[in-house]
Amino acid sequence: EDKVVQSPLSLVVHEGDTVTLNCSYEVTNFRSLLWYKQEKKAPTFLFMLTSSGIEKKSGRLSSILDKKELFSILNITATQTGDSAVYLCAALGMDSNYQLIWGAGTKLIIKP
Amino acid sequence: DTEVTQTPKHLVMGMTNKKSLKCEQHMGHRAMYWYKQKAKKPPELMFVYSYEKLSINESVPSRFSPECPNSSLLNLHLHALQPEDSALYLCASSQEGTFQPQHFGDGTRLSIL
Repeated sequence: EDKVVQSPLSLVVHEGDTVTLNCSYEVTNFRSLLWYKQEKKAPTFLFMLTSSGIEKKSGRLSSILDKKELFSILNITATQTGDSAVYLCAALGMDSNYQLIWGAGTKLIIKP
Repeated sequence: DTEVTQTPKHLVMGMTNKKSLKCEQHMGHRAMYWYKQKAKKPPELMFVYSYEKLSINESVPSRFSPECPNSSLLNLHLHALQPEDSALYLCASSQEGTFQPQHFGDGTRLSIL
């Protein structure tokens, strides 16, 4: 059965710290991995990763995919209180254009 | 604010009521989705429309009835819901084809009395 596992499930750090969120996957005919940030409402798209070893970067956020070891990490440097959210990881297999396999999410709390 | 607009933002209804959730996007996306999200859980896919045709129905009870009137609009008609249907209902859209991320609306928070 396809699955996506995120760790840790929750994390509390202080403003300015750097955090690394983990996502491992077992997905038949894996195609891509996506990261979303969810505060109180919509999951907001962060990154889509399809190729191994190529870092994607947006401001203080970056992510990379390792297709050999079947995982991805999301790094956030110089964290701010606005980074507090649930970070969701989801994988897409070749069998469907639409059916995302979701991890349970990592709840990140940034303390001032 | 997202580019996928959902209305209403909140809805409280009784078990005998009929209501509809609406979703609109103007990004030219041809795939549209309904998800249900319970607290502290990831979104669960309910329906997918591709080019205005129902592509996926994830064994959703018939008290939920989707409709796609055109390429920009997606509705979810609700009838005779149960208290366990209380959740955040999210609409999403994406370009068709491979490697296209889904973009979500802010959701409708639904409470069934």
